[in-house]
Order: sequence, then structure tokens, then C-alpha cells
Amino acid sequence: AQRVTQPEKLLSVFKGAPVELKCNYSYSGSPELFWYVQYSRQRLQLLLRHISRESIKGFTADLNKGETSFHLKKPFAQEEDSAMYYCALMVDSNYQLIWGAGTKLIIKP
Amino acid sequence: DGGITQSPKYLFRKEGQNVTLSCEQNLNHDAMYWYRQDPGQGLRLIYYSQIVNDFQKGDIAEGYSVSREKKESFPLTVTSAQKNPTAFYLCASSMGQGWGEQYFGPGTRLTVT
Repeated sequence: AQRVTQPEKLLSVFKGAPVELKCNYSYSGSPELFWYVQYSRQRLQLLLRHISRESIKGFTADLNKGETSFHLKKPFAQEEDSAMYYCALMVDSNYQLIWGAGTKLIIKP
Repeated sequence: DGGITQSPKYLFRKEGQNVTLSCEQNLNHDAMYWYRQDPGQGLRLIYYSQIVNDFQKGDIAEGYSVSREKKESFPLTVTSAQKNPTAFYLCASSMGQGWGEQYFGPGTRLTVT
């Protein structure tokens, strides 16, 4: 069965420190993965997708098919990065998104 | 303000009553979705619609119903058959099937007592 696992419910780091939010997936097909973010009092929105291979707000994520992971990384965390982050997997049978439970990231000053 | 609107923001109902949550979009998107979000869990898909007058059950459709009579609108009815209806409900839309970027509404928090 398809599954997305975000092992950390909460991650707290100091400003300027590196950040890594973990995402592991279980899927037998060709995965397409996304990171969504929800800032305080804002809507859930797309942060980045693996096929675009771009850096958004300093964040990058690399798909590792061998480890079935799609971890989100940023070398130097900023206070405005504090938010809820969700990893999502698109399944190609019906193009629906399977969501992880989310990680709350807190950046301490 | 364009995008997706959901109303109301908070909704309270007595057990046994059906309740309809509104979702409207002006993005000209073909696909629309309803998700349920419970504490500590990811979003779970209730229903989705790829085109007007057509919709499909998601993973947790039991106790819910939808309609898609207009491209802009995708209302969700939480029926009395839904055993645990108290939750946060999110509506989303995307350009079409296969578009991973979904645009979300602000959500409706439903409390049933």
C-alpha cells in the first residue's frame, strides 16, 4: 500500500542552523513527490516538487529511490521558516495525493 | 481575492443532522477535492471531482456526499451516517488530473455534539 511517513511531529532548531525534515514513502510505482507548507494563519500551499529540481526559499529536496526518501533541507534556517510541513506522494493510478502526517518546524531565535 | 473560498469557517451541528460545507473556486480549475484533517494525521481524501457532473470516492467517503453541478462549486454534505464528523475540512482544486499542485481553501472546522 502507498504510504508517506514523516517521522518527526515536531522539529525545533536555532536560527542559522541546518534543517532537515524527513519524508519516507512506500510505493511500487514511479513516485512523484511534493512538499507543502502551511505558515501560521495561511493556507496550505505547494513549496516544491521533486520533478522541478528547484530551490524554493532556500529549501531543496532530493528524491532518493534507493532509500525511498524525499527529505527537505535548508542549510541555514530562518525564523520565517517556522511552519507546518507536509510531504505528499502522487500515485499514478488515479493521480491522487497521499499525505504524510506533517512536521511542525520551529525556528528558535 | 481570487482562489478558493470555504464557508463557514466554523460550523456547529447537533448529532443526527446533515450539514453542507461550501467550496467555491474562481481559478477555472477542472479538478476539486475534499479532505479531512484530524490531529496528528495527514490529509485524507473524502471525494474528488475531475470534471463537472462527475466525482469519485476517496479513501474515507462513507457518510459523506458531494455534487459537482458547476465547475466553480463542489459542496460537501456530512450526513448523519458519518460516525465521527467532528474535524477540520479542507477543499482544494487543481488544473486537472495529474497536476500535483493543489490550491487550498482556508478550511471549515465542523463540531458535532
